[in-house]
Amino acid sequence: SQKIEQNSEALNIQEGKTATLTCNYTNYSPAYLQWYRQDPGRGPVFLLLIRENEKEKRKERLKVTFDTTLKQSLFHITASQPADSATYLCALEGGDKIIFGKGTRLHILP
Amino acid sequence: GAGVSQSPSNKVTEKGKDVELRCDPISGHTALYWYRQSLGQGLEFLIYFQGNSAPDKSGLPSDRFSAERTGGSVSTLTIQRTQQEDSAVYLCASSWGQGELFFGEGSRLTVL
Repeated sequence: SQKIEQNSEALNIQEGKTATLTCNYTNYSPAYLQWYRQDPGRGPVFLLLIRENEKEKRKERLKVTFDTTLKQSLFHITASQPADSATYLCALEGGDKIIFGKGTRLHILP
Repeated sequence: GAGVSQSPSNKVTEKGKDVELRCDPISGHTALYWYRQSLGQGLEFLIYFQGNSAPDKSGLPSDRFSAERTGGSVSTLTIQRTQQEDSAVYLCASSWGQGELFFGEGSRLTVL
């Protein structure tokens, strides 16, 4: 069956360290993969999109990698700050529609 | 405004009643999605509209759920004979077709 799995429900990281979130998928062949941020009571907000022919993409303190052989994407936040605390959602194109993982709650500890 | 607008933001209803949730997408966006998010959970795909194509309804949980998109713009999600398990936040998103989704703030539905 098709699955999108984000490695943990919650992750605690010390301020200033790099946070790394994982997204694994099975039985999909997405042309692209996206990461979103969601704050409590709000709709998700787009962060980054990476295509299947791209290995890595960066935006400010964010970096995303996409390994189509491993069927995995890694999402990194460098020099993490308490304001980065939120839920991060992985999403991929599955049969034309966009499907989301369950998300990882990230807590940056001051 | 320029963003995706959803109404109502909050809806409390009694079990067995019908509810309608509305989504105004960003002007010009051809794709429109509905997702459901239960407390502390991820986004569950419900339905996807793309241009004039037949919608992908594969995520609708039962025949009590339906959605339409009029004139390629506004969409209404209808839940008939609501049940307590329908309580959730219903999120609408739009896009130019593929890529970045722009989300509304959601409609929180509580079924008593």
